Amino acid sequence: QKEVEQNSGPLSVPEGAIASLNCTYSDRGSQSFFWYRQYSGKSPELIMFIYSNGDKEDGRFTAQLNKASQYVSLLIRDSQPSDSATYLCAVSPPNTGTASKLTFGTGTRLQVTL
Amino acid sequence: EPEVTQTPSHQVTQMGQEVILRCVPISNHLYFYWYRQILGQKVEFLVSFYNNEISEKSEIFDDQFSVERPDGSNFTLKIRSTKLEDSAMYFCASTQGNQPQHFGDGTRLSIL
Repeated sequence: QKEVEQNSGPLSVPEGAIASLNCTYSDRGSQSFFWYRQYSGKSPELIMFIYSNGDKEDGRFTAQLNKASQYVSLLIRDSQPSDSATYLCAVSPPNTGTASKLTFGTGTRLQVTL
Repeated sequence: EPEVTQTPSHQVTQMGQEVILRCVPISNHLYFYWYRQILGQKVEFLVSFYNNEISEKSEIFDDQFSVERPDGSNFTLKIRSTKLEDSAMYFCASTQGNQPQHFGDGTRLSIL
């Protein structure tokens, strides 16, 4: 069973701080990695995606991928109360592109406090 | 911005009844998916669909489930004889194939 593991949290950070969300995956050949944000009762909303080792930045968000350690993370700078949500890590299997199924982790609940 | 549209937003059905969940993927997308999320659990893959046929399905997607693209816009998930454990949020997603999947708002299915 190929797994995607996340700490369920909650991760509590003060407003303006950096939130660091982590994800590990078991299938070494996995190729594509995605972070989705999910507000309670809502659908997953794409935040970031990353395919290559290293960092990828988009506004306040940075995705980091380390394939050797099978580890992907999401950093949120200048955290805002509106960032409070569950962050889902999703992975696509080896030898496939972005068109393949996604395997999701259970998500990490982030709470940004005033 | 184009969106994946799902109807209805909430469906209440008696156990044993058939239910059809509807999705309109983004118009130029070629790959379509159904996922489900039982309350408090992770999002789980059900089935993927490309070129008018199923490309992959999970062990959840048994003979009670079927998918169809009856016309050029709709993509449906049918559950033939619903069980209590089918109660979940069902999400439709689509992609062109070289971009990440975009999800609809979901249908909350409640089986009584």
